[in-house]
Amino acid sequence: AQTVTQSQPEMSVQEAETVTLSCTYDTSESNYYLFWYKQPPSRQMILVIRQEAYKQQNATENRFSVNFQKAAKSFSLKISDSQLGDTAMYFCAWPNDYKLSFGAGTTVTVRA
Amino acid sequence: NAGVTQTPKFRVLKTGQSMTLLCAQDMNHEYMYWYRQDPGMGLRLIHYSVGEGTTAKGEVPDGYNVSRLKKQNFLLGLESAAPSQTSVYFCASSYSRLRGATDTQYFGPGTRLTVL
Repeated sequence: AQTVTQSQPEMSVQEAETVTLSCTYDTSESNYYLFWYKQPPSRQMILVIRQEAYKQQNATENRFSVNFQKAAKSFSLKISDSQLGDTAMYFCAWPNDYKLSFGAGTTVTVRA
Repeated sequence: NAGVTQTPKFRVLKTGQSMTLLCAQDMNHEYMYWYRQDPGMGLRLIHYSVGEGTTAKGEVPDGYNVSRLKKQNFLLGLESAAPSQTSVYFCASSYSRLRGATDTQYFGPGTRLTVL
């Protein structure tokens, strides 16, 4: 079975600090992408970052970066210099054939 | 460029009623998907389509039907609504596979459905 798991249901971080969300997955695929999506209270699902598995370099998008450990099947998201607008639920997602499998999500609350 | 749109945004049904959710995308994407989101369970795939005129079952297809008569539209139908179908429904679309792997999915704003 190919699964994505997020072991942290909730996390809280002070504004301007750093928080890291973990994600582990299981796949036998050799070429794939991994995604982090953000869902703020507005409910809209927004792509945060995408990692290409065949690239060794970790993806970075402004304050968001990933730590991709292919051998360990680990894909964590680091949010640096947290802002109040980062308060949201974050989902790790793994493409499974033509589909996306989602973790249960991690709720991140940024405190002022 | 509106991206992915869904109608309606909210709906309340009585048990046994039927309804259709409409998803439209203007990005010329080949693939389209319907998910449901329930607390603590992430998003689960209901049905998907890899091209006009094609549909396939996802993880939780029971009680739902879909149609993709036009490339830009993907309809989700509930023939006889049940309280267990109370959920938030998301439509998504993507280009076909990139370098042999599934590409980024773009989501609509969601539809909150309550079945009494």
